[in-house]
Amino acid sequence: AQTVTQSQPEMSVQEAETVTLSCTYDTSESDYYLFWYKQPPSRQMILVIRQEAYKQQNATENRFSVNFQKAAKSFSLKISDSQLGDAAMYFCAYRSAWGSQGNLIFGKGTKLSVKP
Amino acid sequence: GAGVSQSPSNKVTEKGKDVELRCDPISGHTALYWYRQSLGQGLEFLIYFQGNSAPDKSGLPSDRFSAERTGGSVSTLTIQRTQQEDSAVYLCASSLRPTTDTQYFGPGTRLTVL
Repeated sequence: AQTVTQSQPEMSVQEAETVTLSCTYDTSESDYYLFWYKQPPSRQMILVIRQEAYKQQNATENRFSVNFQKAAKSFSLKISDSQLGDAAMYFCAYRSAWGSQGNLIFGKGTKLSVKP
Repeated sequence: GAGVSQSPSNKVTEKGKDVELRCDPISGHTALYWYRQSLGQGLEFLIYFQGNSAPDKSGLPSDRFSAERTGGSVSTLTIQRTQQEDSAVYLCASSLRPTTDTQYFGPGTRLTVL
């Protein structure tokens, strides 16, 4: 079974600085998808970034980028120029590319605080 | 366009009562998922619907939990004889297709069982 581990329960960053959130996963599959979701206090899970395992190029979305290391099974999220609105819970998630189900497997999350 | 909606936003019930939670997916999305988010267990998959096919119930924690999806659209998650350990946030998500497409989440229903 696949597992996702986020080893940092809480992180803090100064506004305008850069922070990196860690995520590792365990799988025997070669084809899969990885995601970072943000969950603010409103509870709404918002997709931050998505990575297809077959793509070697790291995904980027504006201030958000990932460092995808397939051999190491690592998928970290870098937030540049941190803003107060970035404060939230961040969840790393895995989804198999095989089978018909496609449910997400989540890590325990990292709570990010942004200091003004 | 409209996102995934869920109702009610919050539900407080007494132990032993039945509750129904509703999810309205994004129009045209064939795949629908229910997840549970609790302090002790994190985010867990509960059940998956694809169109009008029989659901994948592999994540349901007990037979007190059931779900249906009418007309391939709206879904209802029912918890019978609620227990205190059922207290959690129940999240619904939908995607255009099950495996390749991004899942979009609703705001969730916070269930409190007294």
